[in-house]
Amino acid sequence: GENVEQHPSTLSVQEGDSAVIKCTYSDSASNYFPWYKQELGKRPQLIIDIRSNVGEKKDQRIAVTLNKTAKHFSLHITETQPEDSAVYFCAATDNTGGFKTIFGAGTRLFVKA
Amino acid sequence: GAVVSQHPSRVICKSGTSVKIECRSLDFQATTMFWYRQFPKKSLMLMATSNEGSKATYEQGVEKDKFLINHASLTLSTLTVTSAHPEDSSFYICSALNGNGYGYTFGSGTRLTVV
Repeated sequence: GENVEQHPSTLSVQEGDSAVIKCTYSDSASNYFPWYKQELGKRPQLIIDIRSNVGEKKDQRIAVTLNKTAKHFSLHITETQPEDSAVYFCAATDNTGGFKTIFGAGTRLFVKA
Repeated sequence: GAVVSQHPSRVICKSGTSVKIECRSLDFQATTMFWYRQFPKKSLMLMATSNEGSKATYEQGVEKDKFLINHASLTLSTLTVTSAHPEDSSFYICSALNGNGYGYTFGSGTRLTVV
């Protein structure tokens, strides 16, 4: 089955700096890669996603890149703000077979003011 | 946008009792819903896939007789934790596959405490 690895587990940056979180997946059939932000005690919120036919996607300060050959995908947050502090989860889904989503272990991001 | 309502948000129950958690899609039909369990400071662990009108598909290691899933309609899936024990205490969260086939909307989660 699918296995998703996420690094780092904890990331601390200064406000205004960039943050990068990396994930790898094992199942080449995975074709949809969402990223979620979860604040303490709350539900995960989708912040950006990318499909397998695209290499990069950007939405304001957030961007995601995908390398299907290497089975890597990354989240990039620029000009970080204290409210970006949260746990971020990457995930991989095979939308053609079962739609199961497997999550990475999460990255706890701290943005210091 | 797609909204998923999950109830209750918190529940405390005694060991040996059963607890039912509901997950409803409010403005779309969710033929597929997923149930996750999340331990403190840990990731979301997929427990089972709930398909409307058919039996749920459980992940390896998840006891289907303990975690009963029913998806009787296109907008409602329920998870019943039967004969709950303290080790079942956790944050349970559902998600529904959006109608466009991509993207998932999460419920608000249920914090279960078994005493």
